[in-house]
Amino acid sequence: DTGVSQDPRHKITKRGQNVTFRCDPISEHNRLYWYRQTLGQGPEFLTYFQNEAQLEKSRLLSDRFSAERPKGSFSTLEIQRTEQGDSAMYLCASSLVESSYEQYFGPGTRLTVT
Amino acid sequence: RKEVEQDPGPFNVPEGATVAFNCTYSNSASQSFFWYRQDCRKEPKLLMSVYSSGNEDGRFTAQLNRASQYISLLIRDSKLSDSATYLCVVNYGGSQGNLIFGKGTKLSVKP
Repeated sequence: DTGVSQDPRHKITKRGQNVTFRCDPISEHNRLYWYRQTLGQGPEFLTYFQNEAQLEKSRLLSDRFSAERPKGSFSTLEIQRTEQGDSAMYLCASSLVESSYEQYFGPGTRLTVT
Repeated sequence: RKEVEQDPGPFNVPEGATVAFNCTYSNSASQSFFWYRQDCRKEPKLLMSVYSSGNEDGRFTAQLNRASQYISLLIRDSKLSDSATYLCVVNYGGSQGNLIFGKGTKLSVKP
């Protein structure tokens, strides 16, 4: 399967714990995006990378959130000191620079904070 | 005011019906426009791009009115398999690679 993959698919954690999610984009895609989606809402942009450079971060991305893409391939999203409001589906997407509107999404990581 | 607004529905229609979804966007700097489709518990997928001249892909027709900041999607002869949430999406272009999604409009096509 050469699509976008995410791991884990589900994560249940207690409030205050740290969690880390991984995204593997389509191999030739140089852009990688993170979005968050809650029930009844569309995906909300968090941050994106072009190769290893983090080019944009949303105001939604509080200082408890950090993302990396160290070698320009896979990316990780870490949430420190999780809160119940962090419960959501975290979606990763990738694209080519020249067709950044056509983003291919992974299946997402569903986070539940208890 | 939300950047992209859609009627959340749900739209419940019989097979074969024609259904139209509308969307408005608030930022006149928006450059590109799309419809994405999201099946229940699945990831969003690009359905089609939207151009000022309008574009058609089989039973689907998308229109853009930049003056009114309005986007539409028309589905003709709806099928059971069209049941999904349809997300209106804009992009500001340039270095801003992120997509801005509406809440989505849920469509349920019944036999």
